[in-house]
Amino acid sequence: AQSVTQLGSHVSVSEGALVLLRCNYSSSVPPYLFWYVQYPNQGLQLLLKYTSAATLVKGINGFEAEFKKSETSFHLTKPSAHMSDAAEYFCAVRRRDDYKLSFGAGTTVTVRA
Amino acid sequence: EPEVTQTPSHQVTQMGQEVILRCVPISNHLYFYWYRQILGQKVEFLVSFYNNEISEKSEIFDDQFSVERPDGSNFTLKIRSTKLEDSAMYFCASSDDLGGIGTEAFFGQGTRLTVV
Repeated sequence: AQSVTQLGSHVSVSEGALVLLRCNYSSSVPPYLFWYVQYPNQGLQLLLKYTSAATLVKGINGFEAEFKKSETSFHLTKPSAHMSDAAEYFCAVRRRDDYKLSFGAGTTVTVRA
Repeated sequence: EPEVTQTPSHQVTQMGQEVILRCVPISNHLYFYWYRQILGQKVEFLVSFYNNEISEKSEIFDDQFSVERPDGSNFTLKIRSTKLEDSAMYFCASSDDLGGIGTEAFFGQGTRLTVV
């Protein structure tokens, strides 16, 4: 079974600073990987996904993530944080022959002015 | 942009009561899911639904839970006799291809269920 570990339940960054959210997965074969964001009082919105094409994936709102098979990681980054990036971020994994998502515990991002 | 909508956004119910959580998936999607997130815990898969039947369910989805697509647009989750531990955020999701390459699930904004 696949699983996801997000390191750090809470990340605080200054506006304009780098945002780095860590995600490691456990799976017998490379899975599909997703990052979702949840803004306050809203649903889960897809930021980006990895489906075995390019290992560097660009998503919405300036976010990107790199799939590293050797490290079983799919860390999310954004070069310059904006106040509007304050939200909870979830990494999720899915087997290629399945549809169920397995989520990480989530990381709450706060952005300091 | 098409979206999944859920009603109500927040429901408070007494223990032992039945609740129905409602979802309107994206109109051309064929696969429907319920997930839940107990406060402070991970988002967990509950059930998937396709072609008017359950495709898969987790061990959480016991006999107290049921799902239904009563018409062409709604997808509901019923909890027959709620327990305190059913308090959680419930997310509905839909997708247009079962596990196909790049398929993503679109999520609703969630229904926060509080059992008192």
